[in-house]
Amino acid sequence: GAVVSQHPSRVICKSGTSVKIECRSLDFQATTMFWYRQFPKQSLMLMATSNEGSKATYEQGVEKDKFLINHASLTLSTLTVTSAHPEDSSFYICSASPGDVNTEAFFGQGTRLTVV
Amino acid sequence: GQNIDQPTEMTATEGAIVQINCTYQTSGFNGLFWYQQHAGEAPTFLSYNVLDGLEEKGRFSSFLSRSKGYSYLLLKELQMKDSASYLCAVRDSNYQLIWGAGTKLIIKP
Repeated sequence: GAVVSQHPSRVICKSGTSVKIECRSLDFQATTMFWYRQFPKQSLMLMATSNEGSKATYEQGVEKDKFLINHASLTLSTLTVTSAHPEDSSFYICSASPGDVNTEAFFGQGTRLTVV
Repeated sequence: GQNIDQPTEMTATEGAIVQINCTYQTSGFNGLFWYQQHAGEAPTFLSYNVLDGLEEKGRFSSFLSRSKGYSYLLLKELQMKDSASYLCAVRDSNYQLIWGAGTKLIIKP
């Protein structure tokens, strides 16, 4: 099946620093990737839709200047959490689909971000 | 608004059968997905329904009724490793996935 790789799986950073999370589709091209955030015991919250070659589409309430998304190629999207604060600590997950609208979304392994 | 409802938590016994229900109200419908998520891990795909009826895949089956806005995931011969959260998600008319809050399934020996 299709594989999506997300890196790093865990990261601890200091307040005020920036953290970059990568999401790669390993065996298919993804014109669209999705970034989710998940707090403990809660469901996935869509943060933004990453579109290859164009600006990302952010969900209401998500600061685009804080969560920078770059989708420079058909297999790579990056999420950069800028000027991280402890409240940004969460589980971040990316997903992508091979393109057929009838296929499922494949998820990366997720990134556990802890801001201290 | 768009809404996906599923029970917060369920408990079942090893070897038994459990049914997890999901009801939805969305802007359009382009398929319903069930995912399994173990704590601290990303969701993994279980099943996809776009037409009414039952889809069977090993110990897991998923049912859909579009007219009722209803689906269920049926797990048979429960194993301890089935303890996880089960997420129901609907793809709406914009092909966005709308997620339920997930059902935490606890399996007891």
